This record gives sequence, structure tokens and C-alpha cells, in this order.
Amino acid sequence: GESVGLHLPTLSVQEGDNSIINCAYSNSASDYFIWYKQESGKGPQFIIDIRSNMDKRQGQRVTVLLNKTVKHLSLQIAATQPGDSAVYFCAENFSVRGTYKYIFGTGTRLKVLA
Amino acid sequence: GAGVSQSPSNKVTEKGKDVELRCDPISGHTALYWYRQSLGQGLEFLIYFQGNSAPDKSGLPSDRFSAERTGGSVSTLTIQRTQQEDSAVYLCASSLLAGVAYFGPGTRLTVL
Repeated sequence: GESVGLHLPTLSVQEGDNSIINCAYSNSASDYFIWYKQESGKGPQFIIDIRSNMDKRQGQRVTVLLNKTVKHLSLQIAATQPGDSAVYFCAENFSVRGTYKYIFGTGTRLKVLA
Repeated sequence: GAGVSQSPSNKVTEKGKDVELRCDPISGHTALYWYRQSLGQGLEFLIYFQGNSAPDKSGLPSDRFSAERTGGSVSTLTIQRTQQEDSAVYLCASSLLAGVAYFGPGTRLTVL
């Protein structure tokens, strides 16, 4: 459902380790998914996207995995760095009566420990 | 190229006053979204525009909230008779019909 004012879960990771952030999406008709990174005081920034005809997509140090069977999305960050500390949101996009709508997950705060 | 811009960046107002928040989307983006984010929390959907029409207003929290978009470009979110619970960061995003939504930096609204 919609992300409405929920307390953010936190993932703490040691610098240099890999991070895995998970997201459960709501609509089986969603065909496009995006991960966003939001640093303090800024708007969310695009990290990586994936379409529903794929189950994996890799970027620079990031990988997104999509499991449509269980409506699950994950973001893997390799060799986590201090600059990766932020809140991460997943978003699903689907068509509603010919228009497209984004629904955002609740977000996960990633803390990188030195 | 220019991204999504929002103004003002910060707005402090007194309870009961009206405020207008502005969003300038990326040129050519037909879709425009407004979200609200309370401190340390997730994104709350407010309204979505496709061109100048708003097919989805389901997230507007009360009739004090309204939004319009003119010329398929600039959008204004108006909050009438502001209340303290309206204090939040208001984020605008724009996209092509089915593409990545790009966000502006937000407007931080504080209602005293």
C-alpha cells in the first residue's frame, strides 16, 4: 500500500561489507521498479531501475533483484562506503486507466559503520 | 540539463495562513507528482498530474489542500488555513509517461 508516515527501519553495515536492502511491493500488475537514495536534506535520487521482464540488473556497485512470484525487490550494494549512508526507497510503477502511478515503499535507513 | 526545481526551499508560516508551493518540472515531462515527507519518515503520495489534469487526487489529506498545473508545466500546491500537522517537506517529481520520476529538492514547510 501507500507509504504513509511509518517509522523507518535501519540497517547497519560495516564499511567494506555488502549491503542488502529489501522491499515488498504491493501490486502484481507493476511492471517497472526503481530504487532511490535520499541523503539528508535532499530529494530522492535515482539509483537503478528494472523492468518486470528481467529478474536482475547490475549497475556500478549496485545490483537489483526482482522476484515477481513473491513480489519482492532487493538492492545489493557491494563494498559499502560511508557515502552510501542514506535512506533507500523502492518504487513500483503501474498503469491505472491509461496513466502511470508510482507507489513508494516505506524506506530503509542504511548506516555505514567505520 | 536542468532538473526539477521547487520554490521556496523553506517556508515558515503562522497557523491559519495560506501557502503556495511551486514546482517546475523537467521540460517535456508530462507526469508530475507531489509527495509529502515528515521528518525521518517515508513518502506520502498527495496528487498526480498527467498533463494539466489530475487523474489521481486520492492522497490529498483534506479539502484544505489543492493543486493545479498549467500549460503542462509548472504546478502549484496550495494549502489553506495551515495547521501545525502540515509541517513537512513537500517533494515534487516529474517523469515522462512511463519513465523514471526525478525529484526536486523539496520545500520545507514549518507551521508555527
